[in-house]
Amino acid sequence: DADVTQTPRNRITKTGKRIMLECSQTKGHDRMYWYRQDPGLGLRLIYYSFDVKDINKGEISDGYSVSRQAQAKFSLSLESAIPNQTALYFCATSDFGGAEAFFGQGTRLTVV
Amino acid sequence: AQKVTQAQTEISVVEKEDVTLDCVYETRDTTYYLFWYKQPPSGELVFLIRRNSFDEQNEISGRYSWNFQKSTSSFNFTITASQVVDSAVYFCALSEEASDSWGKLQFGAGTQVVVTP
Repeated sequence: DADVTQTPRNRITKTGKRIMLECSQTKGHDRMYWYRQDPGLGLRLIYYSFDVKDINKGEISDGYSVSRQAQAKFSLSLESAIPNQTALYFCATSDFGGAEAFFGQGTRLTVV
Repeated sequence: AQKVTQAQTEISVVEKEDVTLDCVYETRDTTYYLFWYKQPPSGELVFLIRRNSFDEQNEISGRYSWNFQKSTSSFNFTITASQVVDSAVYFCALSEEASDSWGKLQFGAGTQVVVTP
């Protein structure tokens, strides 16, 4: 099984719908992250959490919210999806030292 | 401001040619990590290498090699004798020690490598 698991892997949704992307990890790491990838822009940080009680906005948090339900689970929500949120989303974890990030396999989200 | 710059958007080579991917970074921290990731057409991110700011030794792993030069803030990646399977997007990334930054990765825009037979 993968160390970092994202569900769903692919999703098509309609404009205005609420959607949740889920991430779970078995690495035992406290730190978790959500990134968004757009062509030509690399990956950009949406939100991050350094422990269960800690939530921080990243570079592009507008239109998104997150929930850290447990050390192992970190969910990303789009409250009202819009087409320009069509992208590839990655969840990642790291230990306190931050020497390496472990990425999930990505969720390809299409908003029509 | 962009902290990691990958100026090459796409590089096309013929199989067996060498290809070098440039990465220039910007940081005020003295302690940081630099990374390279590969993203094949299937979409997952494959970790290739991590280098900390105190280790300027170049590294070779099979056909891959990395040249880290703090004097020019560059961490370049060379694929020797390229193969079709090397076709992918390659990302350079930076993680800084600054208080709330450790573990957060700042990515370059990526370089698409196309290797044709």
